[in-house]
Amino acid sequence: DTGVSQDPRHKITKRGQNVTFRCDPISEHNRLYWYRQTLGQGPEFLTYFQNEAQLEKSRLLSDRFSAERPKGSFSTLEIQRTEQGDSAMYLCASSSAGGKTDTQYFGPGTRLTVL
Amino acid sequence: AQSVTQLGSHVSVSEGALVLLRCNYSSSVPPYLFWYVQYPNQGLQLLLKYTSAATLVKGINGFEAEFKKSETSFHLTKPSAHMSDAAEYFCAVISRDDKIIFGKGTRLHILP
Repeated sequence: DTGVSQDPRHKITKRGQNVTFRCDPISEHNRLYWYRQTLGQGPEFLTYFQNEAQLEKSRLLSDRFSAERPKGSFSTLEIQRTEQGDSAMYLCASSSAGGKTDTQYFGPGTRLTVL
Repeated sequence: AQSVTQLGSHVSVSEGALVLLRCNYSSSVPPYLFWYVQYPNQGLQLLLKYTSAATLVKGINGFEAEFKKSETSFHLTKPSAHMSDAAEYFCAVISRDDKIIFGKGTRLHILP
């Protein structure tokens, strides 16, 4: 068990460019979550997957954002036509089965800076 | 809807002193509550969670929290602060559909 990993850890991009982040959950974890954390705030839910199925998307997730988990293992989060307001830490978490008592394990995050 | 409120965005305590980080929750159903810690440039690590068993929950690194339904509180404590406890702490509650709802966080400063 190597924990949740995210790549890259840091990304600096210019406004209007597309970026893609990757998350590798703990192996055999069925659920995978994406959160966004801005400065001085707690993480906010973006979307989550049960295996390869994307079950819910937050209203925070505009149509410029898309997430996939094609084989039910790793996941990608893509942001198209980035804006300065997209600058944040993007956190990924995974859990074994979901449910209220199931622990979500977080990765180290990808810090995005849009210039 | 479920929510949590953390009182104090910054808390400073002397090394060796009691740590008390306050969290109040709002929930229309019995809540499941969590405390997470985030060290600089790192992800979140679970300190402890309340899942309706014992009201006094012991976590890692000497932290514990007590669920008080009458006060709708879930305050985090540690008897003696250590320099390594300096971090940001998030109280959180699980929503009806299993999403974590975080508070805004409390940054803990340890004074030598």
